[in-house]
Amino acid sequence: DVKVTQSSRYLVKRTGEKVFLECVQDMDHENMFWYRQDPGLGLRLIYFSYDVKMKEKGDIPEGYSVSREKKERFSLILESASTNQTSMYLCASRPFGSSNYGYTFGSGTRLTVV
Amino acid sequence: RKEVEQDPGPFNVPEGATVAFNCTYSNSASQSFFWYRQDCRKEPKLLMSVYSSGNEDGRFTAQLNRASQYISLLIRDSKLSDSATYLCVVNRGGNKLVFGAGTILRVKS
Repeated sequence: DVKVTQSSRYLVKRTGEKVFLECVQDMDHENMFWYRQDPGLGLRLIYFSYDVKMKEKGDIPEGYSVSREKKERFSLILESASTNQTSMYLCASRPFGSSNYGYTFGSGTRLTVV
Repeated sequence: RKEVEQDPGPFNVPEGATVAFNCTYSNSASQSFFWYRQDCRKEPKLLMSVYSSGNEDGRFTAQLNRASQYISLLIRDSKLSDSATYLCVVNRGGNKLVFGAGTILRVKS
């Protein structure tokens, strides 16, 4: 089974803190994604990466950055956390060139910014 | 207008009922389509892909109408364990999936 692991299930951080969310996948997938999920809005794409050191902005990249130094690891960084970044963050991965395949998601990190 | 729209529900149905969800998408260049299931406080999981000719997986049938830009999911003989949120998902190209906000299904005994 493909496994996508997110390092924390729940996080509470203070406004202005720098926050790192880590995601690791074990199936050698090229594509990795970060989404946030909010009630009524569904999942929205923050950033994605299709190779090591490659990254592209999604629909809502403001206030976030990412790092992909190794193929299996994709990190989401909140440069200066704000209360409107309180959300469920979901990491996903997918093999390259597989438009008919869905994603495999991690179990999510519920971040609260106070 | 959202790129993928779904009726949020909830759909409250008795066990054994047949229930159908629809979803519309706005980007006519969308390439592939999926239904995901999400249980409360869990991550989304792929339920099935949706093919142009329609496809079936046990009690679940998915249909795609490209001309009208809508996708449907039919669940027959509903079980209590089918209670979840069902997400309509569209691949807009470039490996990016766009998710609808989901339709809540509650199956009651």
